[in-house]
Amino acid sequence: NAGVTQTPKFRVLKTGQSMTLLCAQDMNHEYMYWYRQDPGMGLRLIHYSVGEGTTAKGEVPDGYNVSRLKKQNFLLGLESAAPSQTSVYFCASTNSGLYGYTFGSGTRLTVV
Amino acid sequence: ILNVEQSPQSLHVQEGDSTNFTCSFPSSNFYALHWYRWETAKSPEALFVMTLNGDEKKKGRISATLNTKEGYSYLYIKGSQPEDSATYLCASRPRSGGSYIPTFGRGTSLIVHP
Repeated sequence: NAGVTQTPKFRVLKTGQSMTLLCAQDMNHEYMYWYRQDPGMGLRLIHYSVGEGTTAKGEVPDGYNVSRLKKQNFLLGLESAAPSQTSVYFCASTNSGLYGYTFGSGTRLTVV
Repeated sequence: ILNVEQSPQSLHVQEGDSTNFTCSFPSSNFYALHWYRWETAKSPEALFVMTLNGDEKKKGRISATLNTKEGYSYLYIKGSQPEDSATYLCASRPRSGGSYIPTFGRGTSLIVHP
């Protein structure tokens, strides 16, 4: 099915471990975003990309890195995981935002 | 209003009740207002995209209105059903800025009791 696919769906990490979350979209969208969702906080923007090869910081970028080497993929990396990064991570994409944003199904990450 | 604000934060209604909630957003630099329905353990799904002042959209028992001059949108659910239970999220997409970054509200959590 067309849309945004996130992998993995669940992950448990130990403090200090690293991992990469993958977001893949097949809608030829230019703009891609990574959000984290925490109770009572709503969706907070971590990093975003306005096209292949470009990335920029969002509201809460510390502790995360991203890459957009291919237009369809947006990777979110945690270099040294901390318990404060326990969250649900959502990826979204759009062409212009006029017709809305398409979200992935989320990755539930627990850092112990 | 600098941020997108939604009220109430949560709402409990009985099956059959009609309900509505509010999304307030900055009226300056406005381009589009989105409503999403977000069920637990799923991803947000788009309900409506609204751009013009006075816009009204309808999808089954759910409808929405938009006032861009005063910066608010209402979402109405007529005859709520238990399957309407979800968080309803709104987002404002600004006119300027090349990144099309939406500002999301924190959502209104609706629980419909049978």
